[in-house]
Amino acid sequence: RKEVEQDPGPFNVPEGATVAFNCTYSNSASQSFFWYRQDCRKEPKLLMSVYSSGNEDGRFTAQLNRASQYISLLIRDSKLSDSATYLCVVGGGGSNYKLTFGKGTLLTVNP
Amino acid sequence: GAGVSQSPSNKVTEKGKDVELRCDPISGHTALYWYRQSLGQGLEFLIYFQGNSAPDKSGLPSDRFSAERTGGSVSTLTIQRTQQEDSAVYLCASSLVGRETEAFFGQGTRLTVV
Repeated sequence: RKEVEQDPGPFNVPEGATVAFNCTYSNSASQSFFWYRQDCRKEPKLLMSVYSSGNEDGRFTAQLNRASQYISLLIRDSKLSDSATYLCVVGGGGSNYKLTFGKGTLLTVNP
Repeated sequence: GAGVSQSPSNKVTEKGKDVELRCDPISGHTALYWYRQSLGQGLEFLIYFQGNSAPDKSGLPSDRFSAERTGGSVSTLTIQRTQQEDSAVYLCASSLVGRETEAFFGQGTRLTVV
């Protein structure tokens, strides 16, 4: 099983659509969880951290289910500017802070 | 503000030559990571530094790859006897060591081995 596995995509959606990204991780000792976004030929940038209680930032909602080792990201009312690759990222447990990235899911929002 | 800085931004080298890539992390960030990203692929972990030590170097693909970090700051990634399959974007990131380790990336070095 891959350490961090995401929907392979790509996703093509119209403006205004709601889109959901799913991610699973294999290391039950993982301590930190993030969603990053990467625009074409740019570096990854932190979109939001993910907490067990779930967290929301405007149109973006992230959730974590530790029991299922599952992370999700929901984008509501998608915009053209949301087009990017979305990366699920998991941080190690204990004294190991290695960040492991999923392969990413490409989202294209169409007018 | 001062983010993670990498140099050079682009490097073209001949097969068999050695290359050195540099990363200046954000001041005060104890953790430093090297990743590489090949065309159309996800980020591949190479090595992680905590201060000047590397508790996890499991991602270095071969003994041609080495990295060091000095003064808890600048890191260099060295690739000896480069091969065409080494062509990729090499990304450096830094973060504060803690439970919630948000990492900030540099813009990367695009390495092309011809």
